[in-house]
Amino acid sequence: GAGVSQTPSNKVTEKGKYVELRCDPISGHTALYWYRQSLGQGPEFLIYFQGTGAADDSGLPNDRFFAVRPEGSVSTLKIQRTERGDSAVYLCASSISGGGETQYFGPGTRLLVL
Amino acid sequence: GENVEQHPSTLSVQEGDSAVIKCTYSDSASNYFPWYKQELGKGPQLIIDIRSNVGEKKDQRIAVTLNKTAKHFSLHITETQPEDSAVYFCAASEDDKIIFGKGTRLHILP
Repeated sequence: GAGVSQTPSNKVTEKGKYVELRCDPISGHTALYWYRQSLGQGPEFLIYFQGTGAADDSGLPNDRFFAVRPEGSVSTLKIQRTERGDSAVYLCASSISGGGETQYFGPGTRLLVL
Repeated sequence: GENVEQHPSTLSVQEGDSAVIKCTYSDSASNYFPWYKQELGKGPQLIIDIRSNVGEKKDQRIAVTLNKTAKHFSLHITETQPEDSAVYFCAASEDDKIIFGKGTRLHILP
């Protein structure tokens, strides 16, 4: 079956602009996660959704970052007033029910802020 | 919060030899330890995981060991092949937030 998909695969934007990154989880997975991976580092947790609600958003770095999952499936990560330091690969993962179940990752969106 | 340390950062082994990557974690409440393989331009792919109620798990050429007392866990790859070349991440989790190590770049030499 289809895995986690993310769009766009690459995004180039200018400092100060707004961007949206989309994640389509594996069908039927209720838990969805966003991570950020900087060059040469491991992924860092941003936010976790169980259904439509954010169960843990402790990893969001500041209030410029926001994520939604209005129907409990597709999720959008939104970044306002982008900064050069936001450049990274943004990874999405899903698991069948959360609670420590295996997380399956998508290919990521490579964001470059000029 | 949890902190995961991973060593070495780079590892080169001859094809056919074994590779070992070691990790430590800080939070004794962590109970789930996945290992991911990441190839260039791709997302991390789970290769094996272990939970805190077991000390060892094996899947073909890959094995993981866990020492809860010492808060150590390791990945062992035997009979390495060229396609094993990638970056490997260890991770630890108590709940849904996975904390990753910084990764080990594994080179398989011909």
